[in-house]
Amino acid sequence: NAGVMQNPRHLVRRRGQEARLRCSPMKGHSHVYWYRQLPEEGLKFMVYLQKENIIDESGMPKERFSAEFPKEGPSILRIQQVVRGDSAAYFCASSHRRTSYEQYFGPGTRLTVT
Amino acid sequence: DQQVKQNSPSLSVQEGRISILNCDYTNSMFDYFLWYKKYPAEGPTFLISISSIKDKNEDGRFTVFLNKSAKHLSLHIVPSQPGDSAVYFCAASLQGGSEKLVFGKGTKLTVNP
Repeated sequence: NAGVMQNPRHLVRRRGQEARLRCSPMKGHSHVYWYRQLPEEGLKFMVYLQKENIIDESGMPKERFSAEFPKEGPSILRIQQVVRGDSAAYFCASSHRRTSYEQYFGPGTRLTVT
Repeated sequence: DQQVKQNSPSLSVQEGRISILNCDYTNSMFDYFLWYKKYPAEGPTFLISISSIKDKNEDGRFTVFLNKSAKHLSLHIVPSQPGDSAVYFCAASLQGGSEKLVFGKGTKLTVNP
């Protein structure tokens, strides 16, 4: 059973460009969570999605950030007009039920904004 | 406001000895706690969890203790092995089915051969 997959693993963007991060949950999982980890910090919740629905986006910055989880295909975290402060590791997790228990994480995408 | 705190950024122990990692929380509404282990350049890996209705959960070399009155939990690893060297994150979730996990900043464990 393949784990959570994220791509790309590393992404370099210049200030003002767009970043698209992809996450494919574990097989059979329909709940996806995105977290961000800044240097020397713990992971911070951004958004929770089920197929075609955003359930909780309370941790998502109000501007420039958006997320989706379409009926077909991976979940996408999109950051428009990136700034240096967006440089971080972005982790996706999935679970097979509506609960935070035992979320399974992908390897992360390390975004660097130059 | 740091609701989950891991006050020790690092811990070093000898192989074969016990490792004790500590975690404190401030929100009494947390009802489930988890420990994750993270190697560099990898995602966190689920290790062990405990419900707030219990005070202990054991899985092989790993035991988590929960003291609700003190809002404190700890992870014991016995015996420690060099492969346990990693960053350990404590995480908590809220009552009422909130799905998000609240993480501490992590403790870097080094197990010396």
